[in-house]
Amino acid sequence: EAQVTQNPRYLITVTGKKLTVTCSQNMNHEYMSWYRQDPGLGLRQIYYSMNVEVTDKGDVPEGYKVSRKEKRNFPLILESPSPNQTSLYFCASSPSGTENQPQHFGDGTRLSIL
Amino acid sequence: RKEVEQDPGPFNVPEGATVAFNCTYSNSASQSFFWYRQDCRKEPKLLMSVYSSGNEDGRFTAQLNRASQYISLLIRDSKLSDSATYLCAVNIGGGADGLTFGKGTHLIIQP
Repeated sequence: EAQVTQNPRYLITVTGKKLTVTCSQNMNHEYMSWYRQDPGLGLRQIYYSMNVEVTDKGDVPEGYKVSRKEKRNFPLILESPSPNQTSLYFCASSPSGTENQPQHFGDGTRLSIL
Repeated sequence: RKEVEQDPGPFNVPEGATVAFNCTYSNSASQSFFWYRQDCRKEPKLLMSVYSSGNEDGRFTAQLNRASQYISLLIRDSKLSDSATYLCAVNIGGGADGLTFGKGTHLIIQP
């Protein structure tokens, strides 16, 4: 089954404790992206990747890191999480980032930073 | 500067009615347009792409108005199960950096 898989689905942690949210897709998609979704603010792009070893900042990259060492994986890293990073996070992928390419989303990761 | 705008609603609509809502975009060079549906606390799911000539999928019709820079979604014979938030997504500027999403329109179908 074609899918985007995020882990964990839920995480409660404390300020400053490094964490990684994994994202994996099995559709051989070139483009992958991370979003956070907050009430009243909608989906905001954190980082995206056009292909292996190519990553770019989205609209809200501060406090986050990503890597794209393999095509299928695009982990989101919070080196020193803070409470303002409490949010619902989605990973998405598409065949490419260019025109006419809808994105497919993972189930989401709900992060709470205390 | 808001690149993709939607009326947040909520739109309260009786079951069986027809409902339509729009999404405006700021960049006239935008080339790709989509409607997504998002249920509470779930991931957005692609509802339909929006083509220049307009397109229909069952009870759903999507249209693009390039002159006025908006897309629309029309739902006929609305069902209780249509209650959700509808997000529009636009490939702003036709570039290679993916989609920009509106904040969504919340639709509630009432029995």
